[in-house]
Amino acid sequence: DAKTTQPPSMDCAEGRAANLPCNHSTISGNEYVYWYRQIHSQGPQYIIHGLKNNETNEMASLIITEDRKSSTLILPHATLRDTAVYYCIGRIQGAQKLVFGQGTRLTINP
Amino acid sequence: DGGITQSPKYLFRKEGQNVTLSCEQNLNHDAMYWYRQDPGQGLRLIYYSQIVNDFQKGDIAEGYSVSREKKESFPLTVTSAQKNPTAFYLCASRTSGHHNEQFFGPGTRLTVL
Repeated sequence: DAKTTQPPSMDCAEGRAANLPCNHSTISGNEYVYWYRQIHSQGPQYIIHGLKNNETNEMASLIITEDRKSSTLILPHATLRDTAVYYCIGRIQGAQKLVFGQGTRLTINP
Repeated sequence: DGGITQSPKYLFRKEGQNVTLSCEQNLNHDAMYWYRQDPGQGLRLIYYSQIVNDFQKGDIAEGYSVSREKKESFPLTVTSAQKNPTAFYLCASRTSGHHNEQFFGPGTRLTVL
């Protein structure tokens, strides 16, 4: 699994777009980029995943660079409920486990 | 409602006692997982099971045991051999297939006194 690097913390104003970066320079061709988030004292929640194309769902957008060495999770209109720790994870296709780093603690400010 | 339940949310035990944490899912998922989380840290995999009556060790299996007698249930026993059992324990499940995400339960916070 690729090692991922994320900033330990970020702040964003409510209503603005939150852009969370992730570096995964050692990612292999068959590794997907997954994003989960964990609200305090709860279980993690799946957000989105992608391989090389940009992806969008009802929660967020995922932008992956052409060389796949980094990606950005975008929460388009952050709310206070988006305050959480966000994890970027590299996962080989078909692999069982997810390897969680320390993630980015995102704080949405009113 | 479909989901994963873990009980209890908070659990206290005396040092030297074994304790079993419950995890039940009604999502008809094949695979189930146990993770441990320490304060300020990410999750670490303890054990996982891909099908009934089969399970594999994760990265930190020492001092833990599991069973998978039913598809819906994957209990974790924290034994007295686990040197630092106080932690937040999370159970997850997912369907078979390459891309299906893991669904997590609410977690059990175990404190050993």
